[in-house]
Amino acid sequence: GENVEQHPSTLSVQEGDSAVIKCTYSDSASNYFPWYKQELGKRPQLIIDIRSNVGEKKDQRIAVTLNKTAKHFSLHITETQPEDSAVYFCAASNSGNQFYFGTGTSLTVIP
Amino acid sequence: ETGVTQTPRHLVMGMTNKKSLKCEQHLGHNAMYWYKQSAKKPLELMFVYNFKEQTENNSVPSRFSPECPNSSHLFLHLHTLQPEDSALYLCASSQERAANTGELFFGEGSRLTVL
Repeated sequence: GENVEQHPSTLSVQEGDSAVIKCTYSDSASNYFPWYKQELGKRPQLIIDIRSNVGEKKDQRIAVTLNKTAKHFSLHITETQPEDSAVYFCAASNSGNQFYFGTGTSLTVIP
Repeated sequence: ETGVTQTPRHLVMGMTNKKSLKCEQHLGHNAMYWYKQSAKKPLELMFVYNFKEQTENNSVPSRFSPECPNSSHLFLHLHTLQPEDSALYLCASSQERAANTGELFFGEGSRLTVL
């Protein structure tokens, strides 16, 4: 089955700096890669996603890149703000209802 | 109320108790899921239901028993649990094929503690 690895497990950045979280996957059939944000005590929520026919996608301060050859994808947050502090999860899916999640990255943005 | 709601939010039970977690979605989705979230581990898929039919069961112990009476409601019946079952149990819903439509909608979770 699919194996998704996520790094780093914790990340602290100064407000205004950029944050990058990286994930790798093992199954070349995976074709959909969402990112979820989970604030403390709250539910995970989708923030951005990318499909295998696209190399990069951007939505305001967040962007995701995908390298299918190397089987890795990354989340980039620019101009970080304290409200970006949360746990971020990457996931991979090869269609259907089976999502494989990473172990999460706890991001702290220091004011 | 909209979205995905879970009850109870917190549950403490002994190993011999029987309890149930409830999930309800008001989004008109056809697929519902149970995930287990433990510290420093990936979200673990437990069960998936499509149109009330169970389509995934990821080798979950029989002490966890799901029930999906209709496409809006999902239950997780708990019986003779172990302390290592203590975790946050998240319910989610999506259109039939989430990877095509793009999103899992999660509930806020039920925090379970087994003594």
